[in-house]
Amino acid sequence: QKEVEQDPGPLSVPEGAIVSLNCTYSNSAFQYFMWYRQYSRKGPELLMYTYSSGNKEDGRFTAQVDKSSKYISLFIRDSQPSDSATYLCAMRDLWGNNRLAFGKGNQVVVIP
Amino acid sequence: EAGVAQSPRYKIIEKRQSVAFWCNPISGHATLYWYQQILGQGPKLLIQFQNNGVVDDSQLPKDRFSAERLKGVDSTLKIQPAKLEDSAVYLCASSLVAGEDGNTGELFFGEGSRLTVL
Repeated sequence: QKEVEQDPGPLSVPEGAIVSLNCTYSNSAFQYFMWYRQYSRKGPELLMYTYSSGNKEDGRFTAQVDKSSKYISLFIRDSQPSDSATYLCAMRDLWGNNRLAFGKGNQVVVIP
Repeated sequence: EAGVAQSPRYKIIEKRQSVAFWCNPISGHATLYWYQQILGQGPKLLIQFQNNGVVDDSQLPKDRFSAERLKGVDSTLKIQPAKLEDSAVYLCASSLVAGEDGNTGELFFGEGSRLTVL
């Protein structure tokens, strides 16, 4: 079983729709949870960062962590064409020398 | 603030040839990482340096890959000899030390070096 599972299927949505992405993980030691956004031919950039369980909101983006279910989610409200990118979940434990375990990523296309 | 610089951006070589990638991290970042990202997959850590010492190289194929970070700043990643399965984007990232001074250890990535092995 991989440490982090993210269904890599592409997602196409119309502009203004809500985008819902999720990852599951197996390592109960993971404490820090991140979502990275990667535009085509660019490096990933940090989008959201959450410690332990709970919700975090930043503008149109909401990250949720449910440690009891080992499940994290990212929601994008009122999606825009500029949100078209690959979204990678990543996580690490408290002691792991900052080693991140990444999911495979979801390619999101927002259609105007 | 300048970001992480990588070169070359693109490289095409034939199998069994060698290639080297260069990375200049953000000034002041003690930790430097090399990741391999194969098409359709998430980044996989190859090696992590803190200053000029290796923290983690458990997933580096040491029979063909090598990396160094002389003087704790710039780094080079070398592949010799290359195989077809090495075709990927090689991402360099840097960060402050996680946990120090409340830092989250956020990774800042460069744009990557895209390698095609024919």
